Amino acid sequence: NAGVTQTPKFQVLKTGQSMTLQCAQDMNHNSMYWYRQDPGMGLRLIYYSASEGTTDKGEVPNGYNVSRLNKREFSLRLESAAPSQTSVYFCASTDRVYEQYFGPGTRLTVT
Amino acid sequence: AQSVTQLDSQVPVFEEAPVELRCNYSSSVSVYLFWYVQYPNQGLQLLLKYLSGSTLVESINGFEAEFNKSQTSFHLRKPSVHISDTAEYFCAVTSRTSYDKVIFGPGTSLSVIP
Repeated sequence: NAGVTQTPKFQVLKTGQSMTLQCAQDMNHNSMYWYRQDPGMGLRLIYYSASEGTTDKGEVPNGYNVSRLNKREFSLRLESAAPSQTSVYFCASTDRVYEQYFGPGTRLTVT
Repeated sequence: AQSVTQLDSQVPVFEEAPVELRCNYSSSVSVYLFWYVQYPNQGLQLLLKYLSGSTLVESINGFEAEFNKSQTSFHLRKPSVHISDTAEYFCAVTSRTSYDKVIFGPGTSLSVIP
């Protein structure tokens, strides 16, 4: 099993550009999450999806949109990137015993 | 609302010395507690968790944490650290009524000095 995969691993955007971060899991998990990690702030939840077809806002959803394409895939879109969105983005999924499985992350720089 | 505090942002310790990483949480409901570890340039992975039962939980690589309800703490300890333990450690909490949302602490960077 590959677990949780994310693409791309690195990305540099200019202010105002858009992009989509892709995430897929092969563990048949119902719940999937997008976090951002910034120094000294831990992980902050952007959006999550408790099941296929549902999405909910987390702590910091502004400037982002998500799509739960199917049970395996959960994408995060930045419509108009801003320097404040420079961060490391992690996708995660979880099973019924609440352990979260994380992808390797995407390092995004917005100039 | 739930929150997690990790009082130490950085902890340097010599190899083979003991270490304690502190975690305190606030919640008005019963909780589940976790410690995750992040090695450089990797995602987080679960180190150990408390769901119920014994308040002392252990990991396979020698770490342990004790749930203390009266002090709302879940401190992580290891009696003798190795160079390979150098990593970022995150304490996390979720509630039994809202288990889909996990709140992470800001993290503690453990540096093991040879």
